[in-house]
Order: sequence, then structure tokens, then C-alpha cells
Amino acid sequence: DTGVSQDPRHKITKRGQNVTFRCDPISEHNRLYWYRQTLGQGPEFLTYFQNEAQLEKSRLLSDRFSAERPKGSFSTLEIQRTEQGDSAMYLCASSPGAGGSGQPQHFGDGTRLSIL
Amino acid sequence: AQSVSQHNHHVILSEAASLELGCNYSYGGTVNLFWYVQYPGQHLQLLLKYFSGDPLVKGIKGFEAEFIKSKFSFNLRKPSVQWSDTAEYFCAVAYSGGGADGLTFGKGTHLIIQP
Repeated sequence: DTGVSQDPRHKITKRGQNVTFRCDPISEHNRLYWYRQTLGQGPEFLTYFQNEAQLEKSRLLSDRFSAERPKGSFSTLEIQRTEQGDSAMYLCASSPGAGGSGQPQHFGDGTRLSIL
Repeated sequence: AQSVSQHNHHVILSEAASLELGCNYSYGGTVNLFWYVQYPGQHLQLLLKYFSGDPLVKGIKGFEAEFIKSKFSFNLRKPSVQWSDTAEYFCAVAYSGGGADGLTFGKGTHLIIQP
């Protein structure tokens, strides 16, 4: 178990720029989740994939956000035209497909985004 | 929409003291319940989980939690804390029944154990 890997660990960018984050889940896990965490809050669900299919998107995921998982392995989260309010820790998690929401999710270290 | 409430945002205890962290959730249907811990500089890790069966579940490092359905609660307990338990603790709920599978987290409790 090599764990969930996220890249980069930190990203600093100017307002209005586009950013892309990558997540590599645990290899045998079919489900992949994205969360956002701001200071003093718990993680907030953004979206999740079952293999390559994006099955749900939170209302938090505005039109500027897009996530992909083209081959059912790694995933990318892109934010276009970044805003100050996008500054947060972006967390990725994965879980086995069987067992539905009962399976615990394994989290990565996150990507911390800072918007100047 | 589901919500999760953690009653204590900051808790300071001395070593060997007993711990109880409160967690209440809003959804009245079937839920799966989790406690996650985040040690300083580390990622979120699963402490314990409840799916069904015995409402008293035991997790790693001597932690346990009790699911009380009538109170919509899932409180975390440890009889004697150690300095190494200093961390952020999150209660989380997943809807069991299809549809949304993302976890709903509470705001977390920052626990500091004084030696």
C-alpha cells in the first residue's frame, strides 16, 4: 500500500491564473474523491469518480472547476480563473469499489493552494 | 442536506485523563459513521468506523466510539490519553443507500495533551 499521492504539495499562483492538481489513488481502488478544506473547517466534498465515470458533483464545484479521471487511474482537478476564495487545501481520497459508502476512504497529503 | 456537529473545537487535557469528543449528525436514515484523525504534518487517517451491528466500536490506539441512533450521536472516547494523541479529530458521515457517497465532515476538534 503506497498510499494516495498528490502533486504538487504546494501551489502559489496569481488571481486569474489556471491551476491543475494531480491525484494518484491506491492502485486497486476504484473510487476517487476530491475534497476542499479551509482553515478551521473539516473537508468538504467536491466530487467523486467510480473508475472513469464522474458520478457526483457538489454544488461547491463551480463552473470554473473541472475534474477528470480519463483512464480510471489518476485524476486531475483544474481550477480556471482562480479567485481569492479558492485558497484552500485540496484533498484526494480513494476507496475500494465494493461496499459503497461504507468503505473507509484513504486520504492523500493534499495540495495547498494559495492565491496571491 | 446532511450536517455533522462536533461540540468541542478545542480540548486541552493532561496525560492519563479520560477523553470524550461529541459528534452529532442530522440525517435520520441509514448512515455509516467514521472518526478520522490528523496528526501534525500528516494526512487524515481512519481511527474507527461504524457500519452496522454492535453500536460500540473499537478502533486503533485504544479509541472507541458508541453509536446511539436515537440521539444521532457517535461520540469518541478514550479512557486514558497520551501526549501522542495530540491531533485534530474529525467525525464524518456517509449516506448508506446510494446517491451521494462523499463524506460529510464536522469542523474538527483540536486536541492538545499536556505532558
